[in-house]
Amino acid sequence: DIQMTQSPSSLSASVGDRVTITCRASQSISSYLNWYQQKPGKAPKLLIYAASSLQSGVPSRFSGSGSGTDFTLTISSLQPEDFATYYCQQSYSTPRSFGQGTRLEIK
Amino acid sequence: EVQLVESGGGLVQPGGSLRLSCAASGFTFSSYEMNWVRQAPGKGLEWVSYISSSGSTIYYADSVKGRFTISRDNAKNSLYLQMNSLRAEDTAVYYCARITWYSGENWFDPWGQGTLVTVSS
Repeated sequence: DIQMTQSPSSLSASVGDRVTITCRASQSISSYLNWYQQKPGKAPKLLIYAASSLQSGVPSRFSGSGSGTDFTLTISSLQPEDFATYYCQQSYSTPRSFGQGTRLEIK
Repeated sequence: EVQLVESGGGLVQPGGSLRLSCAASGFTFSSYEMNWVRQAPGKGLEWVSYISSSGSTIYYADSVKGRFTISRDNAKNSLYLQMNSLRAEDTAVYYCARITWYSGENWFDPWGQGTLVTVSS
């Protein structure tokens, strides 16, 4: 099974900051990497698929990059509604494992 | 509107059983692979089980193998998770999620709202 490791586990930032979250796969997964946002009490929401493709309706301040084993999610200018937990997921093989999550908190 | 709605969660004693359902609408259910994903209180997302569009291919996480059974009824646009021999560590919100494919890539979307399963005496 492919293991996904996110860093950091938590992050404090201010509105307007640029933040980057990283995700590393235990083996090459090409570009089969998705990012989800989850707010308390809600289901995860797809932000980015195929490592860098923005899901329809997702603000352009979100971007993704990477291939192989190393990936990043960047939020260019944090907005109040962006404070949430973010998960990466590999879709290269079953089980389609998730990272442990990165909790983004207000500084 | 594409939608998934889970039901069937609740409080159950250790060793007990529960059957979760996921009702799909707004898309051709029989054409899509489906999954169950769970989230223990305060914890991250854990993939639980996968079923192919026809139901012929099934996978389970090691943590539930031999205790949980995934199934689907394409005529009823429904996905199920039969959970037996439940343990305290199975306490979680359970989500159903569809696999969407496009240009060779795939992802989980949409997700249901989740149903809470609590295993406690």
